[in-house]
Amino acid sequence: GAGVSQSPSNKVTEKGKDVELRCDPISGHTALYWYRQSLGQGLEFLIYFQGNSAPDKSGLPSDRFSAERTGGSVSTLTIQRTQQEDSAVYLCASSLIWGRSSYNEQFFGPGTRLTVL
Amino acid sequence: SQQGEEDPQALSIQEGENATMNCSYKTSINNLQWYRQNSGRGLVHLILIRSNEREKHSGRLRVTLDTSKKSSSLLITASRAADTASYFCATVSGSARQLTFGSGTQLTVLP
Repeated sequence: GAGVSQSPSNKVTEKGKDVELRCDPISGHTALYWYRQSLGQGLEFLIYFQGNSAPDKSGLPSDRFSAERTGGSVSTLTIQRTQQEDSAVYLCASSLIWGRSSYNEQFFGPGTRLTVL
Repeated sequence: SQQGEEDPQALSIQEGENATMNCSYKTSINNLQWYRQNSGRGLVHLILIRSNEREKHSGRLRVTLDTSKKSSSLLITASRAADTASYFCATVSGSARQLTFGSGTQLTVLP
């Protein structure tokens, strides 16, 4: 079907508020990734979901960041008590199941631009 | 953290010329991928080269990989104004599934 979609496309919030960012992966893709892109840090990995396995949270920068993936499809990235340094473009990607002999490309959504005032 | 550096950081060429971008990385890899990004938003996958491959072609794209030097290059031949974008290399290493990105090259193709 359609590609990866993300909402909202832009989000402006005040410091200290919580935000939720949504990602709809490509239907049938079992792997889902969150990255963020900022001027100072470039493109950074945040978290990875694969099927029913425990997510790889090794890229989350602090405990204010969390993510969940319901029903193996839609994912929500939540940032609590936002800080100005959280301002970035948050990108979601999905891919087909990882196989021993396959290294599948990732398909990216258009991103959510988060601005924390 | 970023895997490595890309150079040049910015490249400006005339339409019809070839563009070469280089990427260096730090750790052993399973594969290296190149992505294009327009207007600072979503990335588009261009090409993937496995660690046991040395060269790969796709249309006007040619990618080389030198694992002994931990480097890769992307060549775009006969460039077009529509090729104007940021180009990123990204690696997959060990048991990790996520991409580790380079710093990117901003390519401008002048008509």
